[in-house]
Amino acid sequence: DAGVTQSPTHLIKTRGQQVTLRCSPKSGHDTVSWYQQALGQGPQFIFQYYEEEERQRGNFPDRFSGHQFPNYSSELNVNALLLGDSALYLCASSLFDNSPLHFGNGTRLTVT
Amino acid sequence: LAKTTQPISMDSYEGQEVNITCSHNNIATNDYITWYQQFPSQGPRFIIQGYKTKVTNEVASLFIPADRKSSTLSLPRVSLSDTAVYYCLVVLYNTDKLIFGTGTRLQVFP
Repeated sequence: DAGVTQSPTHLIKTRGQQVTLRCSPKSGHDTVSWYQQALGQGPQFIFQYYEEEERQRGNFPDRFSGHQFPNYSSELNVNALLLGDSALYLCASSLFDNSPLHFGNGTRLTVT
Repeated sequence: LAKTTQPISMDSYEGQEVNITCSHNNIATNDYITWYQQFPSQGPRFIIQGYKTKVTNEVASLFIPADRKSSTLSLPRVSLSDTAVYYCLVVLYNTDKLIFGTGTRLQVFP
């Protein structure tokens, strides 16, 4: 039973570019959330998707957007990249019923 | 959501029991207490979740006093592989919006 899988594992982009990160939830899960984790800090909530809609959002600008597909997989898009966007981006999945989150191992994004 | 306070770091030795205490003074009635473990370059891993009194699973115990203003994660007989960052979170029931602090960095020595 595959857990949460994220791709790519590492990515290097230049300031001003756009990036798309991908996530496949754990089998049977229908809800996906995205988190940003800067070095030495705890993860910060970006947003949550359920039934292909954004349900909750954290304090992130509109440059951060997402999508959920009918198979429950999800994408995180970041436009106009800034140096400060360099971080580990984590995807988590769950059932929309208070089950604990299952996290992937993240995508390490470096913006130069 | 209630803010949590936990020690920045702790040291232990293999085979010892480790107790990590977390303060959450303004926890609300519908909030749960949840603990995650994170190794470098990996996503957090769920350890245990509770509402009150005591919860035990195969890896840890969670003790929550009646006033619920604090909680203690207990790891029995730690090993070197338990070296990680441990996060205490207060979670509103039925939400995926977790508020992580900086966690407790546990170092286990031989």
